[in-house]
Amino acid sequence: IVLTQSPATLSSSPGERVTLSCRTSENVLTYLAWYQHKPGQAPRLLIYDASNRATGVPARFSGSGSGTDFTLTISSLEPEDFAVYYCQQRINWPPLTFGGGTRVEIK
Amino acid sequence: EVQLVESGGGLVQPGGSLKISCAGSGFTFGTYWMDWVRQAPGKGLEWVANIKSDGSAEHYVDSVKGRFTISRDNTKSSVFLQMNSLRVEDTAIYYCARESREGQFFDQWGRGALVTVSS
Repeated sequence: IVLTQSPATLSSSPGERVTLSCRTSENVLTYLAWYQHKPGQAPRLLIYDASNRATGVPARFSGSGSGTDFTLTISSLEPEDFAVYYCQQRINWPPLTFGGGTRVEIK
Repeated sequence: EVQLVESGGGLVQPGGSLKISCAGSGFTFGTYWMDWVRQAPGKGLEWVANIKSDGSAEHYVDSVKGRFTISRDNTKSSVFLQMNSLRVEDTAIYYCARESREGQFFDQWGRGALVTVSS
């Protein structure tokens, strides 16, 4: 299953609302996760099964969608949110597959 | 606190071998599936392999089948990746990741081990 994330890069300012997209080549129901990855750090699980926040993830992060279209929304960007975000499907594996990532950078 | 710590990365020539390790702590290691995920320079994340909690099943991405072997030692809370016939394109940071009990997504990650394949 191929995951396509858009945009590849998103330039925003702290306090803004941002929406990241992930489209899958096949129906994955709601078996989609989102991760945040900063350089030199371990990736971090944000959202699992499309809309469930992982333990300790701030409420400004939310996920939605089902089937082939999914969205990760950050309601108000904080300075620590500038990172690369990946989606991942788990309905049809192996292999488990990730999207190509969206880089959220400071405008 | 849950921790995953990778070790054993380094520089290896094309065609060579390397074994990397991941030590887990702060959780009941032997009850979780464990995975390796890699990130090539300038690229995104790529799942490599996983192994069942008791070591009785393992799966691989096609590009490493027949060359890489995942294994684990639950008595030492460790998972390993033996990499043979290494290629330049295997150059990456290799992350150890724990699968959630609720499915094949990754709720804990290590900081990675850099493997460089170059002559």
